[in-house]
Amino acid sequence: EPEVTQTPSHQVTQMGQEVILRCVPISNHLYFYWYRQILGQKVEFLVSFYNNEISEKSEIFDDQFSVERPDGSNFTLKIRSTKLEDSAMYFCASSRLVGGGTDTQYFGPGTRLTVL
Amino acid sequence: QKEVEQNSGPLSVPEGAIASLNCTYSDRGSQSFFWYRQYSGKSPELIMSIYSNGDKEDGRFTAQLNKASQYVSLLIRDSQPSDSATYLCAVTEEVVGNTPLVFGKGTRLSVIA
Repeated sequence: EPEVTQTPSHQVTQMGQEVILRCVPISNHLYFYWYRQILGQKVEFLVSFYNNEISEKSEIFDDQFSVERPDGSNFTLKIRSTKLEDSAMYFCASSRLVGGGTDTQYFGPGTRLTVL
Repeated sequence: QKEVEQNSGPLSVPEGAIASLNCTYSDRGSQSFFWYRQYSGKSPELIMSIYSNGDKEDGRFTAQLNKASQYVSLLIRDSQPSDSATYLCAVTEEVVGNTPLVFGKGTRLSVIA
């Protein structure tokens, strides 16, 4: 069964450093998302991406964040200058089959980001 | 501000019993409703989706939707210890498209053997 994959599984970085989180969405999906979950809190939407551009973004997704689909398979989230409060699990998700389908979003295993 | 509310639990049920999980949402325009299961330290895993009023059954799971009351529930029959997890309710505004999921905080379920 196809699944969303994410790398790395755990990233430790120093405050102020840049990090890039990588995702490979399900191959025949059209819509891609990033969510985050701070420990003990709810899953929060960051950004959605369709047709090589951002569709929607939340208040959390400020200028320090960017997303990119550098090739036909990868989808990346870059945090330019990490802060302590960026420590969280970051989940990539994808949805919507080519040719039709509903909005069901399938999540990757997540990247745990720890900012020291 | 769109809100999804869930009782955080923990909800403890004995093995073999029915577990009932509830969720209310604030946005009357919500169209799609999902239940995800999340084990500690893992990602959300889709259990059920429901789009119209009434019941939808899938194996031991039944989702119930009442749009007039802005209420969605999940019943788990014959609960097993492996069902012990946090159950997340999530809603979106559209059936087709790429609108974001709005999640509740989740209800922690503990099935006691």
